[in-house]
Amino acid sequence: EVQVAESGGGLVQPGGSLRLSCAASGFTFSDHYMDWVRQAPEKGLEWVGRIRNKANSYSTEYAASVKGRFTISRDESRNSLFLQMNSLKTEDTAVYYCVRVASDYVPDYWGQGTQVTVSS
Amino acid sequence: DIQMTQSPSTLSASVGDRVTITCRASQSISASLAWYQQKPGKAPNLLIYKASSLGSGVPSRFSGSGSGTEFTLTLSSLQPDDFATYYCQQYKSYPLTFGGGTKVEI
Repeated sequence: EVQVAESGGGLVQPGGSLRLSCAASGFTFSDHYMDWVRQAPEKGLEWVGRIRNKANSYSTEYAASVKGRFTISRDESRNSLFLQMNSLKTEDTAVYYCVRVASDYVPDYWGQGTQVTVSS
Repeated sequence: DIQMTQSPSTLSASVGDRVTITCRASQSISASLAWYQQKPGKAPNLLIYKASSLGSGVPSRFSGSGSGTEFTLTLSSLQPDDFATYYCQQYKSYPLTFGGGTKVEI
């Protein structure tokens, strides 16, 4: 069974940093691209970014709202995905989801999300 | 960026109704469109991909159609479990973008 599970959320002050993790199981992690998507309170879904697989040099794409502040990485040995978030702003407050990307580029399996709150 | 416009934003319906939700892209995305269902406090669940392909385990009362810039999600006979919020997403080009959502309520 495909599973992805986020962790690492919490309360952080504006300007601070936080690192989210996502543990993947039930599929060959190294074959798949992976996404991060977020959802602010009572708002819609916002794509944060993507990391490709080894065959595509682990290259990344980011939303303009996070580019230069957030970094996506992965560790194949631990079947894990990461989101390093720096210079956090109050508008980064959201539930952050880890999402597997299927072979035809559609995001298919979502984790349950981890809450990030940026507040003083 | 490709803008995705969903309509309506809210839809009131009854059990057994046929329901249609529309998603328009600001430029052609071929068939690179997905539909998701989200219930309160839960993660989104993939319903439809490639505009019209049914996701794994998704009931056949859900169907998708369209290509280019106009897409439709149809629920043929609304069930109690279907009251939720629905989102479209284009995955043709970066940044990936979502529609604003359609809340289906009683």
